[in-house]
Amino acid sequence: EAGVAQSPRYKIIEKRQSVAFWCNPISGHATLYWYQQILGQGPKLLIQFQNNGVVDDSQLPKDRFSAERLKGVDSTLKIQPAKLEDSAVYLCASSFPGTRGSIQYFGAGTRLSVL
Amino acid sequence: AQSVTQLGSHVSVSEGALVLLRCNYSSSVPPYLFWYVQYPNQGLQLLLKYTSAATLVKGINGFEAEFKKSETSFHLTKPSAHMSDAAEYFCAVSDQRDSSYKLIFGSGTRLLVRP
Repeated sequence: EAGVAQSPRYKIIEKRQSVAFWCNPISGHATLYWYQQILGQGPKLLIQFQNNGVVDDSQLPKDRFSAERLKGVDSTLKIQPAKLEDSAVYLCASSFPGTRGSIQYFGAGTRLSVL
Repeated sequence: AQSVTQLGSHVSVSEGALVLLRCNYSSSVPPYLFWYVQYPNQGLQLLLKYTSAATLVKGINGFEAEFKKSETSFHLTKPSAHMSDAAEYFCAVSDQRDSSYKLIFGSGTRLLVRP
């Protein structure tokens, strides 16, 4: 079974530039999550989708971050414009069926460096 | 708000020694609890989870954790450390009162195994 796919693996940009990350969840997983993991910290949820609808985006900095999950499968997370403090690993996870106690499966992440 | 505390950002043990990684949660309602492991440049992998069944939970790679409601703890143990156990370990909770079922992670504990 294929796992959660993310690309790119690494990205280096300058502040005020834009960047986008892509995630393809495990086939059949209705719930998709984007986490931000800053060096030395645990992952923090940015946004959660159930199919193509947003369940929780309370910690997403909406002035610069946006995410979409068209057709309820792949998802894209965008940062525009990036700040130095956005340097982190961005992890995508998926689960089925997204109920309490269900296991979240993580991708390898995209490491973003903002210079 | 639910929170998770992992005591000790770094734990160092000798190969063959007992591994003990501590996790405490803050909630009057017992949450669902998870331990994830993260190897360098990889995503998070589930070790084990507690969902209100048996209080002693066995996971992969010889790890186990015991849920203690009186102590609000869910410490991770392994009787004998192996070099391959060197990684970062994250405790996470899912609040039963949160309809999004999101995970809240601790800050992680890096396990170092000395030969």
